[in-house]
Amino acid sequence: GESVGLHLPTLSVQEGDNSIINCAYSNSASDYFIWYKQESGKGPQFIIDIRSNMDKRQGQRVTVLLNKTVKHLSLQIAATQPGDSAVYFCAENSGGSNYKLTFGKGTLLTVNP
Amino acid sequence: NAGVTQTPKFQVLKTGQSMTLQCAQDMNHNSMYWYRQDPGMGLRLIYYSASEGTTDKGEVPNGYNVSRLNKREFSLRLESAAPSQTSVYFCASRIWGRHTLEGYTFGSGTRLTVV
Repeated sequence: GESVGLHLPTLSVQEGDNSIINCAYSNSASDYFIWYKQESGKGPQFIIDIRSNMDKRQGQRVTVLLNKTVKHLSLQIAATQPGDSAVYFCAENSGGSNYKLTFGKGTLLTVNP
Repeated sequence: NAGVTQTPKFQVLKTGQSMTLQCAQDMNHNSMYWYRQDPGMGLRLIYYSASEGTTDKGEVPNGYNVSRLNKREFSLRLESAAPSQTSVYFCASRIWGRHTLEGYTFGSGTRLTVV
């Protein structure tokens, strides 16, 4: 089965609200975790990543939290905008220096104006 | 600087036909990857090339072959297409030496239908 999974397949929020997308992983040896955004008809676009020796990393309007104890990853999007509507994937690097990524199934985020 | 370019963008094949998906990157990246994406699923790794001259199997290699033609180009070949290979195919590339995966760049995909 999938080693990386998502708790919620869909998420609908109001414009301006904060969004939280969750992800579970099972490979304790994974050393990098990445969140990607994928808009319809396009390839995945890097959002933010975090190394396994970190608990939190912030970017512009996005924050990734890593809880290694329960093997959980989350993406927080502040002040969600209509342009944030997309499918969000978490991925883990379990391939060491070869960086072979294992992806979760994705969460569809819909932002209502 | 186009990033990762995939051709064609769309393709319809009949069962048993062969074809090659092309991928080229102009970022001087060392490693290249081929993934497939099926409805309701995340991307799954088919093959990868850690460096020019090397290729290795990923999670779902059966039915595919690859060629790392040079540092820029990494092609994926379907010798005898099957309906189960209907999918969207993504090529990606990555430069060595980065401490993050921010440089892991994907192309826009090839949508393949096998009838």
